[in-house]
Amino acid sequence: DTGVSQDPRHKITKRGQNVTFRCDPISEHNRLYWYRQTLGQGPEFLTYFQNEAQLEKSRLLSDRFSAERPKGSFSTLEIQRTEQGDSAMYLCASSFGPDEQFFGPGTRLTVL
Amino acid sequence: AQTVTQSQPEMSVQEAETVTLSCTYDTSENNYYLFWYKQPPSRQMILVIRQEAYKQQNATENRFSVNFQKAAKSFSLKISDSQLGDTAMYFCAFQGGSEKLVFGKGTKLTVNP
Repeated sequence: DTGVSQDPRHKITKRGQNVTFRCDPISEHNRLYWYRQTLGQGPEFLTYFQNEAQLEKSRLLSDRFSAERPKGSFSTLEIQRTEQGDSAMYLCASSFGPDEQFFGPGTRLTVL
Repeated sequence: AQTVTQSQPEMSVQEAETVTLSCTYDTSENNYYLFWYKQPPSRQMILVIRQEAYKQQNATENRFSVNFQKAAKSFSLKISDSQLGDTAMYFCAFQGGSEKLVFGKGTKLTVNP
């Protein structure tokens, strides 16, 4: 197993476009988390799944953001009508139970 | 809501020396976990050390140890025999009843040769 993977690693888009990111967790992990990290800040929690159920969402997750984990394996995070303020690193993490979270390399989003 | 404060935006240390990174947190919960994560430049975040709040004994992992003061809500990280590979951003994080991690703003540590 190679750990948590994220795709793409970098995304440049124009304001108003939709973007979708993918996260593949460590295979036996049933929990999957999304965080957002802006320059000079620590990661901020967005949402998390236990298997396919989305259990918690941050108020940061506006109605332009949606996340899915349809079969309890990989997850997607979609941002609609992107804004310049959405520019950030989007981190995915996974865990088996409420234990150590293993992070992926992140997807760096730049909105022009 | 829980908050985590790291009051040292940047620190530097000479190779082989010891350095301590500070972290304080605020919570009304009694059972929780505290973590230190390391984020090297352009690389992914990895766990350095974790501490369960119910354990009085401070956690240690090789050159890394913590000083956990529950009453003071303080959780500092000591790195002994610093190595060039320790250069990274270090984040203190809290995990309570909700499984999400609450991070501080980080401390940028530079180890100088």
